[in-house]
Amino acid sequence: NAGVTQTPKFQVLKTGQSMTLQCAQDMNHEYMSWYRQDPGMGLRLIHYSVGAGITDQGEVPNGYNVSRSTTEDFPLRLLSAAPSQTSVYFCASTLTWGRAYNEQFFGPGTRLTVL
Amino acid sequence: KQEVTQIPAALSVPEGENLVLNCSFTDSAIYNLQWFRQDPGKGLTSLLLIQSSQREQTSGRLNASLDKSSGRSTLYIAASQPGDSATYLCAVITGANSKLTFGKGITLSVRP
Repeated sequence: NAGVTQTPKFQVLKTGQSMTLQCAQDMNHEYMSWYRQDPGMGLRLIHYSVGAGITDQGEVPNGYNVSRSTTEDFPLRLLSAAPSQTSVYFCASTLTWGRAYNEQFFGPGTRLTVL
Repeated sequence: KQEVTQIPAALSVPEGENLVLNCSFTDSAIYNLQWFRQDPGKGLTSLLLIQSSQREQTSGRLNASLDKSSGRSTLYIAASQPGDSATYLCAVITGANSKLTFGKGITLSVRP
């Protein structure tokens, strides 16, 4: 199993540009989520999905869109990039949600800089 | 709102020392607690998961304990090695949406 994969690893954008961060998992996990990690702020939840066709907002959803058309993929879209979105983005997945056993697995991250 | 605190933010110890990393959380109604390791510029690697009904979990030189009633967890690292140098994060799941609430991490440096 490849686990949780993310592309690209690095990206530089100009203010106002849009892009999609890709996330895929091959573990047949129900639950997938996106976090951003910023110095001094820790990791914060952006959006999450409990299954194909179902998404919901996390703690910091503004400026981001998600969709979940398949179990495997959970892309994160930046609609109009802003310097405040400069961050490291992590995708995570777990087998089930709302249950006792919810070990979460993380991808390697995408380092995004918005100029 | 759940808050997770890890103090101190950084720790430097000589090789071979046994050490304890602390994690505290404000809402004891957690589903489970997970400890992660993060190397510089890398993603998060899961170390140990403790379910809410458990008191501890062990993996090799690592032992994590959980005291829900006091809102605390500790990660014990035995016989520390330079390769243990990394940032250690704890995270709790509170609520049915499986949202992880993270502490800000403890950056550990093990000196040879």
